[in-house]
Parts: sequence; C-alpha cells; structure tokens
Amino acid sequence: GAVVSQHPSRVICKSGTSVKIECRSLDFQATTMFWYRQFPKQSLMLMATSNEGSKATYEQGVEKDKFLINHASLTLSTLTVTSAHPEDSSFYICSAKGVQDPYGYTFGSGTRLTVV
Amino acid sequence: AQKITQTQPGMFVQEKEAVTLDCTYDTSDQSYGLFWYKQPSSGEMIFLIYQGSYDEQNATEGRYSLNFQKARKSANLVISASQLGDSAMYFCAMRDPLVGNQFYFGTGTSLTVIP
Repeated sequence: GAVVSQHPSRVICKSGTSVKIECRSLDFQATTMFWYRQFPKQSLMLMATSNEGSKATYEQGVEKDKFLINHASLTLSTLTVTSAHPEDSSFYICSAKGVQDPYGYTFGSGTRLTVV
Repeated sequence: AQKITQTQPGMFVQEKEAVTLDCTYDTSDQSYGLFWYKQPSSGEMIFLIYQGSYDEQNATEGRYSLNFQKARKSANLVISASQLGDSAMYFCAMRDPLVGNQFYFGTGTSLTVIP
C-alpha cells in the first residue's frame, strides 16, 4: 500500500532556531499534502493544505510566516517552523493524497517537536 | 460547529470482549466519507476502516466493523474479540467534499484493553 515517510520522528531544538520537517510519499505521487498539529491528548488540527507547485492554504489562526510549507515536487512537502518557541512544541503529522491509495489519504508517522 | 463528535473520552474493555466506540457527525452534504484511525502511543495514524455515504452495507475489516446509521448521522466503530494491542487512541474522521475534501477529526477515545 501507499507509504508516507516523515522525518525526523523526534527533534529537540533551541528557542529561536528553525526546524524543518519532511514528508515524503515513497511509492506514489501526492498531489495534495496536509499538515496537522496535535497537542497532548487532543485531536488533530489541520494547519495547512499544500498542492504541488502552488502556495499552501493555511487554516485560520495559523501563522504562514512561522510555519513555512513547501511542496516543490509530487513526492515531497516540507514544514519549517521558523524562530521556534516553547509553545510550538507539539506533534506534527502530515498526510498525503494520491490516486493509488484506495481512500486517497495516507498519514506519515509524525514528528514530535520539543523547543527548549 | 463541531463536525465530528466522540462522546467517550475513555473506554475500558475486557480482553476478548467486543467494544463499541461512538461517533456522530454533522454535514449537509450527501456525499462524504467516514474514517476510523487508531493512534498508538508512538503517534502514527493507522487507518482502520472506511464508510462511504452511499455505501448501503456496513463496512467491515477483519475485527473492525462500522455501524453506519445515516439517518442518525452516526458511525460507530465495533471492535470484536479485543486484544491487548488494541489499547490506543481512536479517532473518527469525516472527509467533506464541500470544503475541499478536508478531514475533520473527533476528539478521540482512549481505549484500554484489560487482561
């Protein structure tokens, strides 16, 4: 079946630095990728939707200058958390939409970001 | 307005017994998809089962079945013969074509299987 690889799985960074998270579809072309954020014991909240070759669409309340999303190819989307602060510590997870997947969506394994 | 409602924050079930996790949804569209995902402590979202709004039969996948009651807008997940490895968070989700096929997730149910 369709596989989405997300790296890194865990990252610890210092306040003020930037962190890049990669989401890669391994065996299919992902026309659309979604980025979610999940706080402990809470649900997934959609941050943004990215289509290959175009600008991402951000959900209300998500700072586009802080969470930079790039979807430069049909197999790779990246989320960069810029000037990270402790309140950005969270679990970030991507999902990719491709025609190969019978239901159209496959999730990555997530990235646990801790900003110290 | 909340699209997906899961009213059970936590559930316990005895090993080998069946358990039902509740999910209700809200949409005015006729075409939509309903999903259940399992999220173990490691964090990955594992797809369990899918029900299309036009599917007349309840979806089944191994020990998982979806009790789809369209008029009541409910899509409960039934896990039969629970196993210790079933302990995890379970999320109900809906794909709504009215908003670009965006996924809406419920708040989740934490299931604990007791030996």
